[in-house]
Amino acid sequence: DAGVTQSPTHLIKTRGQQVTLRCSPKSGHDTVSWYQQALGQGPQFIFQYYEEEERQRGNFPDRFSGHQFPNYSSELNVNALLLGDSALYLCASSSSGAKNIQYFGAGTRLSVL
Amino acid sequence: GNSVTQMEGPVTLSEEAFLTINCTYTATGYPSLFWYVQYPGEGLQLLLKATKADDKGSNKGFEATYRKETTSFHLEKGSVQVSDSAVYFCALSDHQGNQGGKLIFGQGTELSVKP
Repeated sequence: DAGVTQSPTHLIKTRGQQVTLRCSPKSGHDTVSWYQQALGQGPQFIFQYYEEEERQRGNFPDRFSGHQFPNYSSELNVNALLLGDSALYLCASSSSGAKNIQYFGAGTRLSVL
Repeated sequence: GNSVTQMEGPVTLSEEAFLTINCTYTATGYPSLFWYVQYPGEGLQLLLKATKADDKGSNKGFEATYRKETTSFHLEKGSVQVSDSAVYFCALSDHQGNQGGKLIFGQGTELSVKP
C-alpha cells in the first residue's frame, strides 16, 4: 500500500517563475492538505482540499493556489515566485472519516534563485 | 488564535538517557494533539496522538499525556537510542467535529543522541 507520494523531489526555479507540485494521497484517503516548511521551522498550513473544493486556507497570498482531481490527487501552484518561497512543501492526506490523522509525504524541496 | 510552543533545541543526550520535550498549547475547544518526527531529508511521520483530556498516546517507547489543566502534551522516553536522533514536532488539530482540520505545529525540537 503506497503512502503519500509527492513529485518532484527537488526543484530549482528563478524569481518570477511559476511552479506546480503534485501529490497522490494514501489509498483510501479523500482529503489533501498542503504545508510549507521553511528551514528550521515547523510546517505552516497553506490549504486543504476535499471533494475537489478548497475547504480551509491558511495565511498565504493568492499566488498560492491548488486543485484536487476526481481521483483525490492534488496540485499546488505558486505563481510569481519569490526568494522567500524557497522551502520544503509537504502534502498530507487523511480520510474524512478518521479524526484528524494526517499522513505526510516526503515533500518537494523548492529552491528559488 | 490557536498555537503550539515547544522547548527550544537542540537537545543533546547520551544513549539510554531519559528524554523530555516540553510542549504547551493554546486552543479554543478540544483539539486533538500529536507528536510528529522528522528524520533528516524526510517528511513527517506520526509518532503518537491523543484526542481528549487525560488520553495517553504511546508508540516505540515514547509517551505523551494530554493535560488539559496545564494545556500541555510533553513527550517522554525512558531510554533514548542513537536512532531516535531527529526533529520532533508537537501539533494540534484545528478541527470541527470529525472533519479533518489544519494542523498547527510548534517550531520543532532537534534531538541528538550520542553513543
